[in-house]
Amino acid sequence: DGGITQSPKYLFRKEGQNVTLSCEQNLNHDAMYWYRQDPGQGLRLIYYSQIVNDFQKGDIAEGYSVSREKKESFPLTVTSAQKNPTAFYLCASTPQVYGVSNTEAFFGQGTRLTVV
Amino acid sequence: GNSVTQMEGPVTLSEEAFLTINCTYTATGYPSLFWYVQYPGEGLQLLLKATKADDKGSNKGFEATYRKETTSFHLEKGSVQVSDSAVYFCALRRNNAGNMLTFGGGTRLMVKP
Repeated sequence: DGGITQSPKYLFRKEGQNVTLSCEQNLNHDAMYWYRQDPGQGLRLIYYSQIVNDFQKGDIAEGYSVSREKKESFPLTVTSAQKNPTAFYLCASTPQVYGVSNTEAFFGQGTRLTVV
Repeated sequence: GNSVTQMEGPVTLSEEAFLTINCTYTATGYPSLFWYVQYPGEGLQLLLKATKADDKGSNKGFEATYRKETTSFHLEKGSVQVSDSAVYFCALRRNNAGNMLTFGGGTRLMVKP
């Protein structure tokens, strides 16, 4: 079955450490996204990538980094510069159909990151 | 810029009650509108969508109508079940906007037996 896989489901990080969250999709989608969700709040865009080897900052990129070396993969690194990293992280993808907005986004199951 | 405003939750209903979750948006042009549902500890799933004015999206007994005159996309269901308990997100996407979704803050629905 096609879909998006995020791993791990739960992640614990010590203060001062960098951690990398994995996101893999086999939907052949061009565009991929990372969102952050805090308890009781909506989703905020961290980074997005519309094509391999290219990515753009979202609304809250500070303290995060990404890479897009392969179409299927869009890992997110939470660096020690991120002051409050404890949150639920969601990865999504969409087909890249220029000028068309009705395509849905597919989401992974999320990774819950906790700083200990 | 684009924005989506949802009614704040939690919304608590008894089983078989009527559900309305309000959603209004601000965007130029003609965005597509979406409702996503998030069950506890999971990612988001598309519930329904509408791509032009007066379109009605429907799925699993839920409905929402794209009202351009009131810039609204309210979610309704005639008879909720305990299994509908989840967080519901309204979202929009504009043409030529990088396919990015703009989300509302989410509304938690709790249905009691």
